[in-house]
Amino acid sequence: EPEVTQTPSHQVTQMGQEVILRCVPISNHLYFYWYRQILGQKVEFLVSFYNNEISEKSEIFDDQFSVERPDGSNFTLKIRSTKLEDSAMYFCASSETYTGELFFGEGSRLTVL
Amino acid sequence: RKEVEQDPGPFNVPEGATVAFNCTYSNSASQSFFWYRQDCRKEPKLLMSVYSSGNEDGRFTAQLNRASQYISLLIRDSKLSDSATYLCVVNALEGGSYIPTFGRGTSLIVHP
Repeated sequence: EPEVTQTPSHQVTQMGQEVILRCVPISNHLYFYWYRQILGQKVEFLVSFYNNEISEKSEIFDDQFSVERPDGSNFTLKIRSTKLEDSAMYFCASSETYTGELFFGEGSRLTVL
Repeated sequence: RKEVEQDPGPFNVPEGATVAFNCTYSNSASQSFFWYRQDCRKEPKLLMSVYSSGNEDGRFTAQLNRASQYISLLIRDSKLSDSATYLCVVNALEGGSYIPTFGRGTSLIVHP
């Protein structure tokens, strides 16, 4: 069964460092998303991506965040200068249609020290 | 951003019990609805989509009430393995795009 894959599964970084989280969505999916979940809190929308551009972003997705799809398969989330409060689980998801179900990767746990 | 509200629980029920969760949403321009299940420190996984006509999958039944803007999930004959957090997801039009928005989840604990 096709699946969304994410790397790394866990990353520990120092405050102020740049982090890149990688995702390989399901190959025939067209809509891509990043969500984050701080421990014990809800799953929060960060950004959606379609047709090689951002279609929507939340207020959390400020200038320290960026996304790109560099090679037609990977979908990356970059956090430029990490803060302590960026510590969370980051989930990538993809969908075949704009209102269809989301398929999630297993997540990348980011710990900022 | 429009809200999706769920009672966080926990709902603590014995095996074999029937339990129901509700979820309300505020954006009337909502297009599609889902229930996801999330186990501790794992990714959300689709449990079922929710249709206006209601739908059933084994012990699970989902209903949508567009007029009152809520969806529900009924679990019959609860199993220990049903213990998890159940997430309501509403796909609503915001800023020109459909955004799947999550509720904070309802925790279910099924005990022997």
